[in-house]
Amino acid sequence: DAGVIQSPRHEVTEMGQEVTLRCKPISGHNSLFWYRQTMMRGLELLIYFNNNVPIDDSGMPEDRFSAKMPNASFSTLKIQPSEPRDSAVYFCASSLGQGSQLSPLHFGNGTRLTVT
Amino acid sequence: GESVGLHLPTLSVQEGDNSIINCAYSNSASDYFIWYKQESGKGPQFIIDIRSNMDKRQGQRVTVLLNKTVKHLSLQIAATQPGDSAVYFCAETKYGNKLVFGAGTILRVKS
Repeated sequence: DAGVIQSPRHEVTEMGQEVTLRCKPISGHNSLFWYRQTMMRGLELLIYFNNNVPIDDSGMPEDRFSAKMPNASFSTLKIQPSEPRDSAVYFCASSLGQGSQLSPLHFGNGTRLTVT
Repeated sequence: GESVGLHLPTLSVQEGDNSIINCAYSNSASDYFIWYKQESGKGPQFIIDIRSNMDKRQGQRVTVLLNKTVKHLSLQIAATQPGDSAVYFCAETKYGNKLVFGAGTILRVKS
C-alpha cells in the first residue's frame, strides 16, 4: 500500500497567486481530511469528506480556501489568492469509516507551502 | 525577530529506559483516542488507539492507558530507542465528530 500521496512536497509562491495542493487517499478509504499545521496553532482540521461529499468545512479559514473531491481517489485544496499567513504544512489524511469513527486517520507527508 | 508559537513540553529519556507521555483530553464525551508520532518532515504516523470501553491496550513496545475519570491518556514506550525521538500527539473524538489533536510532546532519546 502506497499510503496517502500528496503533491507537491514543497510549494513556494508569491502573494496573490493561486495554489493547488493535491491528494490521493489510500485505496478503499472513504473519508478524506485536510489539515493545516503551524507552529502557532498546531494541527487544525480544515475540511473533511465522506464518500466524496464535504461533511464539515467549518475549519476552512476564509473564502479564499476551497476543496474538492471529484472522485474517491483524488482531492484538491485550493487557495486563491494566497497570502503570507497561509504559509504552513498542509496534510491530507484518509480513513475507513464515517468521519473518524473508530478508525484511525492515515496521513500523507504533507505539502510545505511558503507564500512570500 | 523572536518566534512565537506553541511551547511543546519535552521529555528527555536515556536510551533503553521506558518513556511515559501524558495527555489531558478535553471532552468527557469522547469515545475514541489515538496516539500519533510525527518525525521531522513527515506526517503524523498512527501508533495505537483505544476505545472508551477499555482502560488499557498494548501494542509492540507501546501501551496506552485511559483514565476517563480524570480525562487522562498516557502512552508508555518500553526500552526507548533513538528512533523513537519525535513529537507525539494524542487525539480524541466522539462518534461522528472531528478528531481533535493535542498540542504534542517532544520526546528526545539520549544515547
